[in-house]
Amino acid sequence: GNSVTQMEGPVTLSEEAFLTINCTYTATGYPSLFWYVQYPGEGLQLLLKATKADDKGSNKGFEATYRKETTSFHLEKGSVQVSDSAVYFCALLPSGNTPLVFGKGTRLSVIA
Amino acid sequence: DGGITQSPKYLFRKEGQNVTLSCEQNLNHDAMYWYRQDPGQGLRLIYYSQIVNDFQKGDIAEGYSVSREKKESFPLTVTSAQKNPTAFYLCASSMKANYGYTFGSGTRLTVV
Repeated sequence: GNSVTQMEGPVTLSEEAFLTINCTYTATGYPSLFWYVQYPGEGLQLLLKATKADDKGSNKGFEATYRKETTSFHLEKGSVQVSDSAVYFCALLPSGNTPLVFGKGTRLSVIA
Repeated sequence: DGGITQSPKYLFRKEGQNVTLSCEQNLNHDAMYWYRQDPGQGLRLIYYSQIVNDFQKGDIAEGYSVSREKKESFPLTVTSAQKNPTAFYLCASSMKANYGYTFGSGTRLTVV
């Protein structure tokens, strides 16, 4: 079946530190991959996406590369800010008409 | 501005009562989805609809019901049969079933 595994949180970093949140997936066919971000008390916002192998999604300094050989889509940012504190969800959209499948989320706290 | 609106933001329900959560979108999206979010469990799919007058069960449909009489509306009813309804409920929509999703800001339901 389709599933997403992402690293457990919470992750606590100092401002300007390097961020990596690991995400691996299991899927049949050729899924699209996404990172969503959720700020406290809000819904999810699309952060970035990649639709095929070796694609790199990027937005607001965040990046993730679709690695088919390792079935991974790790989220990275070179220098985090306090305003990046949120919960980050990795998700896959399977081939066909099956809905998005989410990982359990990783809470990031950035301290000044 | 186009978007997806969930109401109310907070909802309290007595045990044994049914309650309906509203979800409306003006994005002209074909597909709509309901997810439930619990701490540490990520998002789990309750129901989804890819076209008006049609919907499918997700992973945790028991104790919930939906309707899709209009393209822009996809209300979710939490029935008294749902054993543990206290959670954060998120509605989403997408242009087609295999496109990225737009999320509402969520409804927090508490059973008292």
